[in-house]
Amino acid sequence: NAGVTQTPKFQVLKTGQSMTLQCAQDMNHNSMYWYRQDPGMGLRLIYYSASEGTTDKGEVPNGYNVSRLNKREFSLRLESAAPSQTSVYFCASSVIQNTEAFFGQGTRLTVV
Amino acid sequence: KQEVTQIPAALSVPEGENLVLNCSFTDSAIYNLQWFRQDPGKGLTSLLLIQSSQREQTSGRLNASLDKSSGRSTLYIAASQPGDSATYLCAANQAGTALIFGKGTTLSVSS
Repeated sequence: NAGVTQTPKFQVLKTGQSMTLQCAQDMNHNSMYWYRQDPGMGLRLIYYSASEGTTDKGEVPNGYNVSRLNKREFSLRLESAAPSQTSVYFCASSVIQNTEAFFGQGTRLTVV
Repeated sequence: KQEVTQIPAALSVPEGENLVLNCSFTDSAIYNLQWFRQDPGKGLTSLLLIQSSQREQTSGRLNASLDKSSGRSTLYIAASQPGDSATYLCAANQAGTALIFGKGTTLSVSS
C-alpha cells in the first residue's frame, strides 16, 4: 500500500526556473494538502483541496499554484522559483477535511 | 488565529524513563488533535488522533490526552527506548482549514 507518493524526492533549481511537484494518493481520499517545512518555522500550509474540483489558499500561498488533476493527484507549481522557496515540501491527504491526515515522504527543493 | 506551541523544543532522557511531551493551542474550537513522529530527513508518521469529544487515546506505549477547556494536549511515552528518538509534532484541526502545526519537540533517548 503506497499511501501518499511524492515526486521528485530531491530537486535543485536555478532562480527563475519553473517546476511542478507531483503528489498522488491511493487511499481514495477526498482532501489533499501541500505544506512546506522550514527550520524554526515548522510546517505551514500552502494550499489545500477539500474535494476534487476545489482548491483554497493556506497560510503561505504566494509564489505557488496548484491543480487538483483528479481525485488521486494534487500538484504544486512554482512558476518562477526564488531562493526563499528553498524548503522541504510535504503533500498529505485525508478522507475528508478535518480527519486523520497521512503524509508523503517529502520533496527537498533547493533554489540557487 | 489558531497557534500551536510545543514546549520544550528539545528533550534528552535516559532509556527506560517515562516522559511527557506538551502541546498547547490558543483556540479550543478544534475538530481533533493529531500527534506525529518525524525521523530526520523523513516524512511524518501519524501516531494518534484524538477527537474533540475524546479525552485520550492509547497505542502501545503511547498515550495522548486532550483538554480542550485548557487548550492542552500531552503525549505520554512509557519506558522510553533509543528507537523513540525523533521529532514529535502536534497539530490542531479546525473547521474550514487544515492541520495547524506546532514546531515540534526533538526527543533524544540515550542507552
